[in-house]
Amino acid sequence: QLQLQESGPGLVKPSETLSLTCTASGGSIRSSNYYLNWIRQPPGKGLEWIGSVYYSGNTYYNPSLKGRVTISVDTSKNQLSLKLSSVTAADTAVYYCAKGGGIAVADSWGQGALVTVSS
Amino acid sequence: EIVLTQSPGTLSMSPGERPTLFCRASQTVSNNFLAWYQQRPGQAPRLLIYGASTRATGIPDRFSGSGSGTDFTLTISRLEPEDFAVYYCLQYGSSPSTFGQGTKLDIK
Repeated sequence: QLQLQESGPGLVKPSETLSLTCTASGGSIRSSNYYLNWIRQPPGKGLEWIGSVYYSGNTYYNPSLKGRVTISVDTSKNQLSLKLSSVTAADTAVYYCAKGGGIAVADSWGQGALVTVSS
Repeated sequence: EIVLTQSPGTLSMSPGERPTLFCRASQTVSNNFLAWYQQRPGQAPRLLIYGASTRATGIPDRFSGSGSGTDFTLTISRLEPEDFAVYYCLQYGSSPSTFGQGTKLDIK
């Protein structure tokens, strides 16, 4: 069964770039007709879709993040990555990677990585 | 973007009861692309339902989804102790995909 694991710095300074990696084990991170997603959840709050990449390579981003997001896949390493630039305290959240059949529709999730934006 | 409003915000019920959770969209959800997630404390969300009414793999049949257009429901036929959690609806028919604010189902 596919397992996903997020990793990256737990603390990022304001105005810097948040970078996270999601590593898959037990299967391929990239499969036909599947989406790879990043979703986040501020502490004590609800879920927000950040963006997705389809197996074809097409990417889809939430316009609310105003062009600050880049999502990419490295199939040789079986990894998905997220970069979020110019972060502020409002970007403090648990970041999840997830795989499934639709944008933000995912039946395989990582455990989540808490990223705090603070100086 | 489509705004999803879930009700009630909190639902207090007892094991064995039959709760119904509601999700209303500000616009028609294209193709009834509406999903439901369950999230227990400290855990990642778990996909329950997609396409408004199709159970995800491994989801018990006590969970059922229904609805179309702008109004959707999630019903749990008989509450088990592990069902007390927060439930989110998600629309993925229009970009950007958006989540509801959640309904907390807690033990009475």
